[in-house]
Amino acid sequence: GAVVSQHPSWVICKSGTSVKIECRSLDFQATTMFWYRQFPKQSLMLMATSNEGSKATYEQGVEKDKFLINHASLTLSTLTVTSAHPEDSSFYICSASGGAAYNEQFFGPGTRLTVL
Amino acid sequence: QKEVEQDPGPLSVPEGAIVSLNCTYSNSAFQYFMWYRQYSRKGPELLMYTYSSGNKEDGRFTAQVDKSSKYISLFIRDSQPSDSATYLCAMKGTNAGKSTFGDGTTLTVKP
Repeated sequence: GAVVSQHPSWVICKSGTSVKIECRSLDFQATTMFWYRQFPKQSLMLMATSNEGSKATYEQGVEKDKFLINHASLTLSTLTVTSAHPEDSSFYICSASGGAAYNEQFFGPGTRLTVL
Repeated sequence: QKEVEQDPGPLSVPEGAIVSLNCTYSNSAFQYFMWYRQYSRKGPELLMYTYSSGNKEDGRFTAQVDKSSKYISLFIRDSQPSDSATYLCAMKGTNAGKSTFGDGTTLTVKP
């Protein structure tokens, strides 16, 4: 299957700082990337969908000014959590589809964010 | 009411047992059905991908879709301790559309 990487795998930051998470498709061109957050023992919650070169589409209730998504190339999307607070602590997972994997969604390994 | 309902579990079975994981859905527009496996603190891994009704087999895993009943299942034969994980069903209406996920069923296979 296609490979999606995320960096960093975990990050601890102070309240009020911004954190950037990178999502890369390693062996295919991802025309669409999805960002999810997942709380312990809960399912995936879709935050936003981004298509390469265009603005992300955010799900209802997700603050676009707080969770900045950039999908500048076919292999890279970034999620920036601005002015992070402890309630933003969660597991953030990206997924990608496109190219030969156009009809399937491949997930990255996730990034665990802890805001102190 | 959620669009996708998944048997909540948790499920605990002895090694070698046959496991049945199930989801129901309400949106008749769903045509693509997926099963993902997620180990603790890891991203989900795609296990099975099916289109429309029918069965699909891959090794010890069989995915079954019954669109008339809006019901999908994943069967695991000869379950192994390494199968212990959370299993998520997902479905979507179009190829490029976003997927709707179930809440997951946590499976433990005891040696």
